[in-house]
Amino acid sequence: GAGVSQSPSNKVTEKGKDVELRCDPISGHTALYWYRQRLGQGLEFLIYFQGNSAPDKSGLPSDRFSAERTGESVSTLTIQRTQQEDSAVYLCASSPKPGGSTYNEQFFGPGTRLTVL
Amino acid sequence: AQSVTQLDSQVPVFEEAPVELRCNYSSSVSVYLFWYVQYPNQGLQLLLKYLSGSTLVKGINGFEAEFNKSQTSFHLRKPSVHISDTAEYFCAVSTNYGGATNKLIFGTGTLLAVQP
Repeated sequence: GAGVSQSPSNKVTEKGKDVELRCDPISGHTALYWYRQRLGQGLEFLIYFQGNSAPDKSGLPSDRFSAERTGESVSTLTIQRTQQEDSAVYLCASSPKPGGSTYNEQFFGPGTRLTVL
Repeated sequence: AQSVTQLDSQVPVFEEAPVELRCNYSSSVSVYLFWYVQYPNQGLQLLLKYLSGSTLVKGINGFEAEFNKSQTSFHLRKPSVHISDTAEYFCAVSTNYGGATNKLIFGTGTLLAVQP
């Protein structure tokens, strides 16, 4: 079946502009994660959605970052007033179940490469 | 808080030689441990995971890893590498208690460069 998809695959923007990144999780997956991968660094957790529960926003680096999810489907990560340090690959992952007594594998999309000039 | 250390940013190795990619973690609670692989221009793929039970876990493509609680390590090994194993390898930890997020904490990655 289809995996996690993300769009656009590449985005170049000017400093100060707003950008929206989209993630389509695997159908039926209730949990959705956003991560950021900056050059030469590991992935950083940004935000987590699970069903209708309040999202875990503990990883968002500033109030310029926000994310929404429509039900258990598409999610959009928005970065306002982009800065050069926002340049990174933004990865989305989905999981078949929310956190509980067992771990459920996260399936990653190919990412969106954001370049802020 | 949890953290993951991958001391080797790059590991060059000749084809058919054995390889070990090192991973150490820090956590005050029990953790789940993972290795992910990222091939050039592709997304992350789960290689193997340790949740509980046997400390030696086997993954895809002939890789295996051993969980060592006393040394807080989860090193990845393969007895004989192929050119196609050239990729970035990420070690990650997750905790799960009382409905926590299951978010993954990643190391900075190790580039495995297999040479003919």
